[in-house]
Amino acid sequence: EDQVTQSPEALRLQEGESSSLNCSYTVSGLRGLFWYRQDPGKGPEFLFTLYSAGEEKEKERLKATLTKKESFLHITAPKPEDSATYLCAVHGASKIIFGSGTRLSIRP
Amino acid sequence: DGGITQSPKYLFRKEGQNVTLSCEQNLNHDAMYWYRQDPGQGLRLIYYSQIVNDFQKGDIAEGYSVSREKKESFPLTVTSAQKNPTAFYLCASSITQGDEQYFGPGTRLTVT
Repeated sequence: EDQVTQSPEALRLQEGESSSLNCSYTVSGLRGLFWYRQDPGKGPEFLFTLYSAGEEKEKERLKATLTKKESFLHITAPKPEDSATYLCAVHGASKIIFGSGTRLSIRP
Repeated sequence: DGGITQSPKYLFRKEGQNVTLSCEQNLNHDAMYWYRQDPGQGLRLIYYSQIVNDFQKGDIAEGYSVSREKKESFPLTVTSAQKNPTAFYLCASSITQGDEQYFGPGTRLTVT
């Protein structure tokens, strides 16, 4: 059965303290992995698409990487405005599955 | 500006009433989707449509219905058969099915 698991569920960091969020997946035939950012009470905002192991994408303080079993969203020197829930979604052979997200909180 | 609009932002209904949530996009995307989000859970797919006049059930379609008469519009009706309708509903679109999705602002439905 296709599955997507995100960890940790919640992460609190001090401003400037770098860390990584994890998205582990089990799908038959990966066709794409997506990262989104969601602010409270709003729709998710698209960040990155990764298609194959070894691929990396960057945007400001965020960098997404992909292996055959998991993806990491690295956040470097975060700021309070980076606080949000980060969602991972995987497109397998037949459908797209979303993880339950990581709630990231950055303290000033 | 291209984007996806959902209306209304907040919706209140009495139990036993059907309610329709609006979703419009001007991105010229072929595929459109409806998701439900409950606290602490991931997005769950209700229905999706790859093309006008065609749609498929997602993982939790029971108690919901949709139509796709125009490329730009994909309304969702929450029927009285849906046992737990109170939730945050999100509409999304993509160029084709499987591409990155772009989401609307959501509609929070409360049924009492």
